[in-house]
Amino acid sequence: QVQLQESGPGLVKPSQTLSLTCSVSGGSIAGGGFFWSWIRQHPGKALEYIGHIYDIGSTYYNPSLKSRVTISVDTSQNQFSLKLRSVTAADTAVYYCARTRDYSNYINWIDPWGQGKPVTVSS
Amino acid sequence: DIQMTQSPSSLSASVGDRVTITCRASQSISTYLNWYQQKPGKAPKLLIYVASTLQSGVPSRFSGSGSGTDFTLTISGLQPEDFATYFCQQTYSTPLVTFGGGTKVDIK
Repeated sequence: QVQLQESGPGLVKPSQTLSLTCSVSGGSIAGGGFFWSWIRQHPGKALEYIGHIYDIGSTYYNPSLKSRVTISVDTSQNQFSLKLRSVTAADTAVYYCARTRDYSNYINWIDPWGQGKPVTVSS
Repeated sequence: DIQMTQSPSSLSASVGDRVTITCRASQSISTYLNWYQQKPGKAPKLLIYVASTLQSGVPSRFSGSGSGTDFTLTISGLQPEDFATYFCQQTYSTPLVTFGGGTKVDIK
């Protein structure tokens, strides 16, 4: 079955760029029916949807983060990536990549999730 | 944004208990609601989608119901492996989906 794995630095300095990559195995990113998502979970346990990308490259970003976020995809490597610029301590969280089943306009669900990458923003 | 409010935020229960968790949306979301289970240090796992459809492989003791603004997740006969945190997620405002704050179920 499809598995996802996040990779990247676990410590980022304030004002710098957080960069994470999600490697997908057991299935292809290309092919439709899904979009590829980033979600984060702050230490207080709340989940926040960051955004997603389709295999053709179209993206959606949460308006609260849109000015700082870029999600890209590399179908040849079966990976997608997250960049979050100008980070602050408020960006400290566990970052998850995940596959979202895109069933219809309103019907979608997140499954599976990667194991999560803890990222701390600190000098 | 559609706000999702879960209650209670935590509860204590015993093995075998029937547990009910509630999720309320700030506006009607039809049945566009999913439930996830998260164990400590692990990623969330999909339990139920579209309010009441059980994900493949999820035990039948889990069930979901509701529509509009009020939803429930019920665990009928709590098992030791069910002690975890449960989240709801609305997809009515896709692409901007939002999650509830979570309900932690621990051992009484």
